[in-house]
Amino acid sequence: GAVVSQHPSRVICKSGTSVKIECRSLDFQATTMFWYRQFPKQSLMLMATSNEGSKATYEQGVEKDKFLINHASLTLSTLTVTSAHPEDSSFYICSAYRDQETQYFGPGTRLLVL
Amino acid sequence: AQSVTQLDSHVSVSEGTPVLLRCNYSSSYSPSLFWYVQHPNKGLQLLLKYTSAATLVKGINGFEAEFKKSETSFHLTKPSAHMSDAAEYFCVVTGYTGRRALTFGSGTRLQVQP
Repeated sequence: GAVVSQHPSRVICKSGTSVKIECRSLDFQATTMFWYRQFPKQSLMLMATSNEGSKATYEQGVEKDKFLINHASLTLSTLTVTSAHPEDSSFYICSAYRDQETQYFGPGTRLLVL
Repeated sequence: AQSVTQLDSHVSVSEGTPVLLRCNYSSSYSPSLFWYVQHPNKGLQLLLKYTSAATLVKGINGFEAEFKKSETSFHLTKPSAHMSDAAEYFCVVTGYTGRRALTFGSGTRLQVQP
């Protein structure tokens, strides 16, 4: 099956710093990738849709200036959490759209902001 | 808009007994429906998907689901539970063509007792 990787898998940072998370489709090209956020014992909430070569589309309530998304190539999308605060601590998951309505998910990145 | 309701937040079965995880959906369009499984500290894995072909869908690890339009349901079943099936299960819907983002249900935690 298709493989999507995320890096880092876990990150701890100080409040006020920025953190970049990478999402890569390893064996296919993905024009569309998605970023989700998952709080403990809760479901995944879509944050934004990342389209290669164009601006990301953010869901209502998600601050685009805080969660910067760049999809510079067909295999890489990045999410940068700017000026992170403790409330940004969460599990961030990306997915890549391949075909036939199927998305493949990365293993997730656990962010802890102190 | 589309939505998904997972009727049970927690299901507990004995090993070797049948599994039933319930899901109802709402969609203004012909939906595509999925079941994903999330094991602790692992990424989401696609179990099966329905995309307007056969209404009875067979997935991996012995799981299957039946799309019932009249009942707007897409329940997940397995004849005999295995200890390794213990995980969080998400019913997911995607909407009209072009809107590839997924809408997740709240999740059902499956416990398998020995």
